[in-house]
Amino acid sequence: AQSVTQLGSHVSVSEGALVLLRCNYSSSVPPYLFWYVQYPNQGLQLLLKYTSAATLVKGINGFEAEFKKSETSFHLTKPSAHMSDAAEYFCAVSGETSYDKVIFGPGTSLSVIP
Amino acid sequence: SQTIHQWPATLVQPVGSPLSLECTVEGTSNPNLYWYRQAAGRGLQLLFYSVGIGQISSEVPQNLSASRPQDRQFILSSKKLLLSDSGFYLCAWSGFRNSPLHFGNGTRLTVT
Repeated sequence: AQSVTQLGSHVSVSEGALVLLRCNYSSSVPPYLFWYVQYPNQGLQLLLKYTSAATLVKGINGFEAEFKKSETSFHLTKPSAHMSDAAEYFCAVSGETSYDKVIFGPGTSLSVIP
Repeated sequence: SQTIHQWPATLVQPVGSPLSLECTVEGTSNPNLYWYRQAAGRGLQLLFYSVGIGQISSEVPQNLSASRPQDRQFILSSKKLLLSDSGFYLCAWSGFRNSPLHFGNGTRLTVT
């Protein structure tokens, strides 16, 4: 069965510093991978998705992620953190079942220090 | 454009009372529909999904049920709430297999 792990439940970075949020997955088939962001008391918004077209995926708000099959990873990065990036980030995987079962990681809370 | 509506935004209910949360989608036909629960400080747990009217699949046995009486309407229910049912409930839809999920703004349920 597919699964997702996110290393680090809380990550703090200084404003302007590099953001790196880690995601590793397991899947018996080529995966579809997603990053979502959740602001307090809101639903999740799609940041970016990997669907096998390109290994480096660019998303909204300056975020990007790189699919590395050999490492079964899909880490999320942003060169320079903004205060508005403070939120919960979820990595997710799908593709193993005949229906749209999306498996979410436990999430990483990102704090940005001014 | 497609939109998803979920209500109410917050709800406080006593233990043993019934529950009904509603979710509707506009601007698309035959969406896949989902109910997720997010407990405090934890990830998302898939509760139910539906690929069509009257077709409901449950991911975990629990005190909740779901129904899809219309193509773009998804309802989460309980006959008797438990304290453990407290959490943040999210409805979502997707258009086709392995496409991204689109989430509503969620319902914060507190069972007292």
